[in-house]
Amino acid sequence: KAGVTQTPRYLIKTRGQQVTLSCSPISGHRSVSWYQQTPGQGLQFLFEYFSETQRNKGNFPGRFSGRQFSNSRSEMNVSTLELGDSALYLCASSMDRLKDTIYFGEGSWLTVV
Amino acid sequence: SQQGEEDPQALSIQEGENATMNCSYKTSINNLQWYRQNSGRGLVHLILIRSNEREKHSGRLRVTLDTSKKSSSLLITASRAADTASYFCATDGTGRRALTFGSGTRLQVQP
Repeated sequence: KAGVTQTPRYLIKTRGQQVTLSCSPISGHRSVSWYQQTPGQGLQFLFEYFSETQRNKGNFPGRFSGRQFSNSRSEMNVSTLELGDSALYLCASSMDRLKDTIYFGEGSWLTVV
Repeated sequence: SQQGEEDPQALSIQEGENATMNCSYKTSINNLQWYRQNSGRGLVHLILIRSNEREKHSGRLRVTLDTSKKSSSLLITASRAADTASYFCATDGTGRRALTFGSGTRLQVQP
């Protein structure tokens, strides 16, 4: 079956703009989470959604937000982009919240100029 | 913030040799998972080991978990050039589905 699908794969935005990234989880998976990967900070948890509700949130400013739809697809939004938001954003999905393997997508490369 | 450290940070070996990577973490965990990442790509899941398990195997991979020492190791046997990648351990705590990653080990397998 298809893996976690993220779009777009690459994008370039200007400081001050906003961006929306999309994630389609593996079919049947209801938990979707987002991570940011940068050379300086490594892999950091952004937030997790389950059944359209945000269940956990990492230590990121309010400019970072997300949502999950009834079909489990998820989007994350970053407003008022800063240069430091340049990163690989990874989406992950799992069947349930606590016990199952977490699978990652290929990521969306965001460059802020 | 990072949960813990991975050791070594970088490892270079010849094809056919074994590679061992270690991961330490700080808080109680529910599960520990190992992932591989090729440059610029997403994370590929390798193995999940639960807190009540001590060892798991998958093909050429062997993972051990010592919860008393808060540490895990990943052994790749008979390595291949295609194993060249960064390897990360990730833990999730009790009641919380948020992975905390180690800093990763960069493995280079020379053909």
